Amino acid sequence: KNEVEQSPQNLTAQEGEFITINCSYSVGISALHWLQQHPGGGIVSLFMLSSGKKKHGRLIATINIQEKHSSLHITASHPRDSAVYICAVATPLFSGGSQGNLIFGKGTKLSVKP
Amino acid sequence: DGGITQSPKYLFRKEGQNVTLSCEQNLNHDAMYWYRQDPGQGLRLIYYSQIVNDFQKGDIAEGYSVSREKKESFPLTVTSAQKNPTAFYLCASSWGTGNTEAFFGQGTRLTVV
Repeated sequence: KNEVEQSPQNLTAQEGEFITINCSYSVGISALHWLQQHPGGGIVSLFMLSSGKKKHGRLIATINIQEKHSSLHITASHPRDSAVYICAVATPLFSGGSQGNLIFGKGTKLSVKP
Repeated sequence: DGGITQSPKYLFRKEGQNVTLSCEQNLNHDAMYWYRQDPGQGLRLIYYSQIVNDFQKGDIAEGYSVSREKKESFPLTVTSAQKNPTAFYLCASSWGTGNTEAFFGQGTRLTVV
């Protein structure tokens, strides 16, 4: 079982729709990251959060530490939001494993149609 | 502009050849990382470095080598021992722990023929 699970894997939406992408994790974390990867491959960090909720423009990220769950919401979606959204959790560096810093989900591919 | 730069964007090599991927950052970050991305899989950690002249193996270090002679630079060498080197490689940097924002390069797509 993957330590970070995202759903859905693929999502197609019409422009203007409200979008939710979910991330569940099974390990202890110090922070959770939401990343955006465009078709060219480069990755941009959207949010880093360890509790509560953060908002940036049309993007909102929430996390529930007790339930080990985070959501990324996009309001009034637009075709330029089309990308792969990746959830990554930060594990304590000296936890004894070799994973170092971040454990990544497989990503959610979002396509927003005009 | 501060940022992290990977080069080249696309790289082709013949099987059996070593190849080195470049990663440079001018963000003054202590920590740097190399990840590999394959279709349908999450990014996997190859190597990371928390400080100059020190680096640690990640989950899939076999067939790879790195160096960290300068704070700004963390090159990755894909050796001929790597059984399946064709992949997308991403470099990242951060202040030092997972509690800080990570900055990613644009990636290098390596194709071995």
